[in-house]
Amino acid sequence: QLQLVESGGGVVQPGRSLRLSCAVSGFTFRTYGMHWVRQAPGKGLEWMAFILYDGSNEYYANSVKGRFAISRNNSKNTLYLQMNSLRAEDTAVYYCARDGLFGLGGKWFDPWGQGTLVTVSS
Amino acid sequence: SYVLTQPPSVSVAPGETARLTCGGDNIGRKPVHWYQQKPGQAPVLVINYDNDRPSGIPERFSGSNSGNTATLTISRVEAGDEADYYCQVWDTSSDHVVFGGGTTLTVL
Repeated sequence: QLQLVESGGGVVQPGRSLRLSCAVSGFTFRTYGMHWVRQAPGKGLEWMAFILYDGSNEYYANSVKGRFAISRNNSKNTLYLQMNSLRAEDTAVYYCARDGLFGLGGKWFDPWGQGTLVTVSS
Repeated sequence: SYVLTQPPSVSVAPGETARLTCGGDNIGRKPVHWYQQKPGQAPVLVINYDNDRPSGIPERFSGSNSGNTATLTISRVEAGDEADYYCQVWDTSSDHVVFGGGTTLTVL
């Protein structure tokens, strides 16, 4: 059974950092690219970042490039998102999602985790 | 940057057919994927590669993609189909995933 479980969300002050984790099970993690997608309250989906199956390449949305870093530990079946210099507009539910196609990926999402809420507020 | 445009809302009576559109420049040249999101839940893939249905998705869901418009069609709409629907592509010119703004489907 495919499972993705995010953790690490919470309330954080502007300018501070936070690291999200996504623990996966039910598939061979090291063969799939992984994504982070966020959704601000009442808003639509916004893609954040993608990392290749072996961690050899990363892609970022312009809104977070230079502030956020995606990484993975294939021996721990875990995906990470390091978020620095957080702003109020980063407040959102953050989802991890597996790429729908193994290997280099097809750049679509299936399945998704249940999400973790990050609130940036003083 | 590449932009996908979806109507904010679509309403349909039960049993009727809902057609949700996703507009983009020459979108017909890109694979389009569709997600359903119900309130308080994570999105679920309902169509990938324009018209492929993942296992477990009812045959009532189908897709098409040509020219500047991709369409998600839901036949014989049921109350349980009420949700937000998002289209999505990979923009190769920017190496970015792009989502449409989403359409809220209301079953009257």
